[in-house]
Amino acid sequence: DTGVSQDPRHKITKRGQNVTFRCDPISEHNRLYWYRQTLGQGPEFLTYFQNEAQLEKSRLLSDRFSAERPKGSFSTLEIQRTEQGDSAMYLCASGDQGVNSPLHFGNGTRLTVT
Amino acid sequence: AQSVTQLDSQVPVFEEAPVELRCNYSSSVSVYLFWYVQYPNQGLQLLLKYLSGSTLVESINGFEAEFNKSQTSFHLRKPSVHISDTAEYFCAVIGSNYKLTFGKGTLLTVNP
Repeated sequence: DTGVSQDPRHKITKRGQNVTFRCDPISEHNRLYWYRQTLGQGPEFLTYFQNEAQLEKSRLLSDRFSAERPKGSFSTLEIQRTEQGDSAMYLCASGDQGVNSPLHFGNGTRLTVT
Repeated sequence: AQSVTQLDSQVPVFEEAPVELRCNYSSSVSVYLFWYVQYPNQGLQLLLKYLSGSTLVESINGFEAEFNKSQTSFHLRKPSVHISDTAEYFCAVIGSNYKLTFGKGTLLTVNP
């Protein structure tokens, strides 16, 4: 068990550019989540996968955000035409099938949009 | 849908003093409750969880939390804190929709 891995750890981009983040969950976990965390706030839910199926997406997520989990293993989160308001820590988490199984979080990708 | 309210954004205490971090939740369905901790420059780590059974749950480092269904609360306590407990603490709930919802967090600062 190597834990949840996220890449890159830091990303600095200019406004209007596209960025893509990768998450590798714990191998036997079939649930995968993306969260966004800004300074002084708790993690905010973005989207959730059960295996390769995206089962829920936050209504706060604009059309510029898209997430995939093509083979039910790793996942990518893409932000198109980045805005300064997208600057945040993006967290990935994975968990076992049961709803009461705790989520395990990665160390996050810190995005700075200049 | 569910929501979580952490009543205190910051709690400063002296070393070896007791502490309570408050958490209230709202949900129309049964939920499971968690406390996560985030140390400076680190990711979120599970501190403890309430799933069922005894309403008092404990962590390995001396924290405990009590689930109170009538008051919809899940307050976190420690009888004597250490400098190393300085961190941000997040209360979270999950229901049958599989969506883990967090509070805004409480920054615990332990001073010598």
